[in-house]
Amino acid sequence: EPEVTQTPSHQVTQMGQEVILRCVPISNHLYFYWYRQILGQKVEFLVSFYNNEISEKSEIFDDQFSVERPDGSNFTLKIRSTKLEDSAMYFCASRLLWNTEAFFGQGTRLTVV
Amino acid sequence: AQKVTQAQTEISVVEKEDVTLDCVYETRDTTYYLFWYKQPPSGELVFLIRRNSFDEQNEISGRYSWNFQKSTSSFNFTITASQVVDSAVYFCALLQGGSEKLVFGKGMKLTVNP
Repeated sequence: EPEVTQTPSHQVTQMGQEVILRCVPISNHLYFYWYRQILGQKVEFLVSFYNNEISEKSEIFDDQFSVERPDGSNFTLKIRSTKLEDSAMYFCASRLLWNTEAFFGQGTRLTVV
Repeated sequence: AQKVTQAQTEISVVEKEDVTLDCVYETRDTTYYLFWYKQPPSGELVFLIRRNSFDEQNEISGRYSWNFQKSTSSFNFTITASQVVDSAVYFCALLQGGSEKLVFGKGMKLTVNP
């Protein structure tokens, strides 16, 4: 069964460093998303991406964040200068054009020290 | 404004018990979608079901059933004859028509003991 895959599964980085989280969405999906879940809290929307541009973003998604689809298969989230409060599980998701259900990857746990 | 409330934070049951997870939502839109996701201890989010606002039919899938009631803005999830493998955090979520943003509830941790 096709699935969304994320790498790495766990990343530790020093405060102030840039990180790139990588995702390979399901191949025929056209909408891509990033969500995050701070430990023990609810899942929060960051950004949606369609047709090579951001279609919607939350107030969390400030200038420190950017997304990119560098080729036909990868979808990345870059955090330019990480802060301690960026520590969270980051989920990538994707969906078909005409369906509303998003399928999530297994997540990348980001730890900022 | 859109909001999802899962009033129960944690439930513990014994195997074979039935358990109902409550979800109440708020939205001003007439077109919206409701979802349940499961997050097992391994951490991934697993899609369980989607319901749109025009379809109030209840649904049953094996031991899982969902009760959507617009009159009370609720979308409750029942697991019949629970099993240890059902132990997970369950999230209810809302998507307003025209938006890409899934709004999640805080989740409900279900522990099924043998």
